[in-house]
Amino acid sequence: GNSVTQMEGPVTLSEEAFLTINCTYTATGYPSLFWYVQYPGEGLQLLLKATKADDKGSNKGFEATYRKETTSFHLEKGSVQVSDSAVYFCALSFSGGSYIPTFGRGTSLIVHP
Amino acid sequence: NAGVMQNPRHLVRRRGQEARLRCSPMKGHSHVYWYRQLPEEGLKFMVYLQKENIIDESGMPKERFSAEFPKEGPSILRIQQVVRGDSAAYFCASSPGPGSGRTEAFFGQGTRLTVV
Repeated sequence: GNSVTQMEGPVTLSEEAFLTINCTYTATGYPSLFWYVQYPGEGLQLLLKATKADDKGSNKGFEATYRKETTSFHLEKGSVQVSDSAVYFCALSFSGGSYIPTFGRGTSLIVHP
Repeated sequence: NAGVMQNPRHLVRRRGQEARLRCSPMKGHSHVYWYRQLPEEGLKFMVYLQKENIIDESGMPKERFSAEFPKEGPSILRIQQVVRGDSAAYFCASSPGPGSGRTEAFFGQGTRLTVV
């Protein structure tokens, strides 16, 4: 079946540090890949997406590149802010047939001033 | 364009009572997914519905839990005879569905169920 594996958290960084959250996936076929962010007490918000190999999704300074050869979609940001503290979920989905978005366990990011 | 609407945001039930969670998908979305999130854990898929059809309920406990998405009105996740272990955040997501070319799901704010 399909699955998503994320690095375990929490990831603790100082403000302006570089962020990487690793995500790898297992899927039959070529899924679309997503990063969602969840702030405390809130639902998940779509952060960025990529629909095919070598696509780069970006939003709010975050980036992730769809790497088919390594089945990865790592999230990066050059300079994190305290307001980026949240839980980040990597996910995959397909555009055809009966598809169910599959999520990783989430990675908590804590940014200190 | 309103997003996915869930209500109530918070729900407190005594053991043995019934809990009803409602979800109105985004306009134009015909597919609804329910997920459960326990503290410090990820999202666990429960059920996938289209209008008047359950497509996949492989993540739903066999007893006490049911879901529907009627032709008119919101999707309902129903938990009968709640127990303390049902305390969790329940999230609904919607998407346009296959054939739309759009694959992302949009989430509601969740219902936080507390069983006392």
